[in-house]
Amino acid sequence: QSALTQPASVSGSPGQTINISCTGTSSDIGAYNYVSWYQQLPGKAPKLMIFDVSRRPSGVSNRFSGSKSGNTASLTISGLQTEDEADYYCSSYTTTTWVFGGGTKLTVL
Amino acid sequence: EVQLVQSGAEVKEPGESLKISCKASGYSFSTYWIGWVRQLPGKGLEWMGIIYPDDSDIKYSPSFQGQVTISADKSISTAYLRWSSLQASDTAVYFCVRHSAGGNHVSHWGQGTLVTVSS
Repeated sequence: QSALTQPASVSGSPGQTINISCTGTSSDIGAYNYVSWYQQLPGKAPKLMIFDVSRRPSGVSNRFSGSKSGNTASLTISGLQTEDEADYYCSSYTTTTWVFGGGTKLTVL
Repeated sequence: EVQLVQSGAEVKEPGESLKISCKASGYSFSTYWIGWVRQLPGKGLEWMGIIYPDDSDIKYSPSFQGQVTISADKSISTAYLRWSSLQASDTAVYFCVRHSAGGNHVSHWGQGTLVTVSS
């Protein structure tokens, strides 16, 4: 059971739009619409940002959106803000268990 | 409001046993999957396993099967993670997590418990 593949880091300037990819296999992302995304600020517990590929929990800004194509899911953050600087993790269901991506550090320049 | 309150930080020596806890409140404990996620120092998240308190059904990640034991006591709405013999490589932050109503994703997180294993 391998971790999902994410870029180690992405960066952007305030106001820009960035995308974070999350690549899995036909046994996880490709098989189920159960992809979720989490934001982790330094020293804090992760926070759910997107679930079921593209749904936002109550209270999460609509600047955050999710999508999926084949075995790859993506998190898009539009109108980048300095407070978006954090680590982001994707996760997917995979036949009775769940798996996380390796994490992406977002830097807002 | 869903709350997951974990036990405090632990410092143990290799070979010792340990059981950490997660007290849940704000929802019907028995009917939601609850479990654990590991974060090694400076590393990413690893899903360990979950338990359904109502019938004690447990799902372990293959990476953690046989290495830890997950349990729950629904009479006190508390989940546990136990090691019988700790190793230095178990040093990490362990998050208690609750899955969503449909069970399809982690919806809530505890504050984390730092476990340090060192001689």
